[in-house]
Amino acid sequence: NAGVMQNPRHLVRRRGQEARLRCSPMKGHSHVYWYRQLPEEGLKFMVYLQKENIIDESGMPKERFSAEFPKEGPSILRIQQVVRGDSAAYFCASSGEDISGANVLTFGAGSRLTVL
Amino acid sequence: KNEVEQSPQNLTAQEGEFITINCSYSVGISALHWLQQHPGGGIVSLFMLSSGKKKHGRLIATINIQEKHSSLHITASHPRDSAVYICAVEGGGGSQGNLIFGKGTKLSVKP
Repeated sequence: NAGVMQNPRHLVRRRGQEARLRCSPMKGHSHVYWYRQLPEEGLKFMVYLQKENIIDESGMPKERFSAEFPKEGPSILRIQQVVRGDSAAYFCASSGEDISGANVLTFGAGSRLTVL
Repeated sequence: KNEVEQSPQNLTAQEGEFITINCSYSVGISALHWLQQHPGGGIVSLFMLSSGKKKHGRLIATINIQEKHSSLHITASHPRDSAVYICAVEGGGGSQGNLIFGKGTKLSVKP
């Protein structure tokens, strides 16, 4: 079980380009969450997805950001027309119920986006 | 005022010391998480609790729902415990995984 896999680990984009960040949840996990950590700031929730469904996107910026978790393949966080303020670490987490019934989170290593 | 407050912001300890990190929150919650962020940036979930106390190795987490307060204790601290410890709450009207994070406590344990 390889855990939550995120790629790329580091991504450099120029202003106006698109960034795509991928997340494969742990085997058996059906819930995926994306969080953003801006430089020198705390983590912030972005979106919660299940297969083919966006459950809660209350933390997503209204423009340029989208997320999906298709039936097959990883979850994708897509940022269009990136700006310097998008430079951050983007963490994915997944969850599935442990033996107590609790939804324990497992985090990926993060994807660090730098916008030049 | 932040909905999740941690104290102290920074903590330096000598190896072997008993360490306490505090977390207070102002919203109703369904669960509270303690996370560890390594110097390299990776995040590990240490505890998820909604009542009482949990223990894992040298780590102990407690929560008092009435007082809206949680503590993370590290016994016999070691330099490898040096990391940022983050408290996050779940609930407050949000969905699961919709966490409100504290700003973290940066712990440095000196040999």
